Amino acid sequence: AQTVTQSQPEMSVQEAETVTLSCTYDTSESDYYLFWYKQPPSRQMILVIRQEAYKQQNATENRFSVNFQKAAKSFSLKISDSQLGDAAMYFCAYRTGGSNYKLTFGKGTLLTVNP
Amino acid sequence: DTEVTQTPKHLVMGMTNKKSLKCEQHMGHRAMYWYKQKAKKPPELMFVYSYEKLSINESVPSRFSPECPNSSLLNLHLHALQPEDSALYLCASSHRDREAGELFFGEGSRLTVL
Repeated sequence: AQTVTQSQPEMSVQEAETVTLSCTYDTSESDYYLFWYKQPPSRQMILVIRQEAYKQQNATENRFSVNFQKAAKSFSLKISDSQLGDAAMYFCAYRTGGSNYKLTFGKGTLLTVNP
Repeated sequence: DTEVTQTPKHLVMGMTNKKSLKCEQHMGHRAMYWYKQKAKKPPELMFVYSYEKLSINESVPSRFSPECPNSSLLNLHLHALQPEDSALYLCASSHRDREAGELFFGEGSRLTVL
């Protein structure tokens, strides 16, 4: 069974600084997708970034980027120029390819942004 | 329209009540999901509907009964719940045939069972 591990239950960062959230996963599949979701205190879960396993290039979305190390099964999220609005619970998630749309979530990392 | 709308936002019910949670999306997504989330925990999958047919039931107790009346609507009928069922219930949807199939979530319905 696939597992997703987020080893940092809580992280903090100063506003305007950079922070990296860790995620590792375990799978025997070759076709899969990885996601980072953000859940602010207002509760709505929002997709931050996604990575297709077959793509070697790391995904980037504005201030958010990932470091995808397929051999190491690592998928970390880097947030640059942190803003107060980045404060949230961040979940790393995995899905196998094909018609299985079941997401496996990590336990989450609670990010605090200090002014 | 990129929203998943859930109603009600808050619900308090007794253990003998019957109530329903409603979810609606107009993004043309053909996969819809119910998740249960406890505080500071990741969402736990309950049900998946694909093309309006139940495709995944994660061994959820029968006191939770999902229904998908059409491609835009998803309901979760609640009956004889227990206090431990108190949680945030999240609805999500995704493209059934798009590559990554990322989920779009609603804000959730906060359920309290007395």
